[in-house]
Amino acid sequence: DQQVKQNSPSLSVQEGRISILNCDYTNSMFDYFLWYKKYPAEGPTFLISISSIKDKNEDGRFTVFLNKSAKHLSLHIVPSQPGDSAVYFCAFGNEKLTFGTGTRLTIIP
Amino acid sequence: KAGVTQTPRYLIKTRGQQVTLSCSPISGHRSVSWYQQTPGQGLQFLFEYFSETQRNKGNFPGRFSGRQFSNSRSEMNVSTLELGDSALYLCASSLALPGYYEQYFGPGTRLTVT
Repeated sequence: DQQVKQNSPSLSVQEGRISILNCDYTNSMFDYFLWYKKYPAEGPTFLISISSIKDKNEDGRFTVFLNKSAKHLSLHIVPSQPGDSAVYFCAFGNEKLTFGTGTRLTIIP
Repeated sequence: KAGVTQTPRYLIKTRGQQVTLSCSPISGHRSVSWYQQTPGQGLQFLFEYFSETQRNKGNFPGRFSGRQFSNSRSEMNVSTLELGDSALYLCASSLALPGYYEQYFGPGTRLTVT
């Protein structure tokens, strides 16, 4: 029962352009949504989050959008930088966190 | 403030053996969760401990167990290792306050079963 789906296993974006990462979920009980970034040989790092009562949250270059009716979460990175190259996981919380399978983002200089 | 630490960082074991992994959470964090990461599977939730009690459990066989000590440090044990247990095991700690879901991860223990 895969409650969280990141349908794009990889994404390549030119430096300076916008990166858009997407996540779909099926469980309506999720009430908190997070994005994590992971570099090789390191644990995931918390990036940004949003609660179910909001539809947008910004933190610098990172903006998370939540569309509850479509059960869709997205992360926008503007402008994209080479250091953003990593694997990005969406995660959903109620009693515990449920993670997606990850999207590998590559920023092309 | 020191981050989450995990020991050992790398481990090679033989099928049938057992292994114990250790996690020290961020100071003040009372919740510790364990995850297994394998290629293409994302992070699979194993279990969560809070105040020395298992609060949530994922869909893993009974060979996977854990515990938490009074200082919030946690250990995870896998008995009768199988080749499919080769993975990165991640520990995460959290304040575990109501409505607070952010978890902070350690660097992981890379387990290889041969």
